[in-house]
Amino acid sequence: DAGVIQSPRHEVTEMGQEVTLRCKPISGHDYLFWYRQTMMRGLELLIYFNNNVPIDDSGMPEDRFSAKMPNASFSTLKIQPSEPRDSAVYFCASSWGGRYTGELFFGEGSRLTVL
Amino acid sequence: GNSVTQMEGPVTLSEEAFLTINCTYTATGYPSLFWYVQYPGEGLQLLLKATKADDKGSNKGFEATYRKETTSFHLEKGSVQVSDSAVYFCALSEMNRDDKIIFGKGTRLHILP
Repeated sequence: DAGVIQSPRHEVTEMGQEVTLRCKPISGHDYLFWYRQTMMRGLELLIYFNNNVPIDDSGMPEDRFSAKMPNASFSTLKIQPSEPRDSAVYFCASSWGGRYTGELFFGEGSRLTVL
Repeated sequence: GNSVTQMEGPVTLSEEAFLTINCTYTATGYPSLFWYVQYPGEGLQLLLKATKADDKGSNKGFEATYRKETTSFHLEKGSVQVSDSAVYFCALSEMNRDDKIIFGKGTRLHILP
């Protein structure tokens, strides 16, 4: 079975450019989470969706970040304009039942470098 | 609010040594507790979990016991292998509150052959 699929795996861009990260969750999962991982802050929850509806976006750092989930099989995280401090690994994870199982299935991550 | 605190790394051990990675938590209710592992270049994956006090989670030779009296969930393994080198995350989720899973900052483990 396919796991969570993220693209691109690596992205290098210049400050001010728009960045779009993509995620395909595991089929049948009803929760989707976006996390950011840095050495300084560790793993931070940015936003999560339940049945394609954003439930909590309190972790989104600022208005430059936005996320959408137009259907059950696709989500995007967009940064516009990007800044060097956005450099991090961004993970998408999906789950069935969210907290009730506690088992999140993570993608391999998208490593973003903003120059 | 809920939080997870785990020992800072890196932790460096020789192969076949005994491993303990400490984790303590703060929660207002009755959380479920988890250990996730992240191998180099990969996403996190669930290693083990415990859903109530005194439960013991175990997998791949790792164990952790849910200790409500000490609010702890320490990860242990009797004999580590080089392939156990990874970053280990303690996490909690609290039912009847929200759907978030709160992660600790992670502990990097290096096993020397």
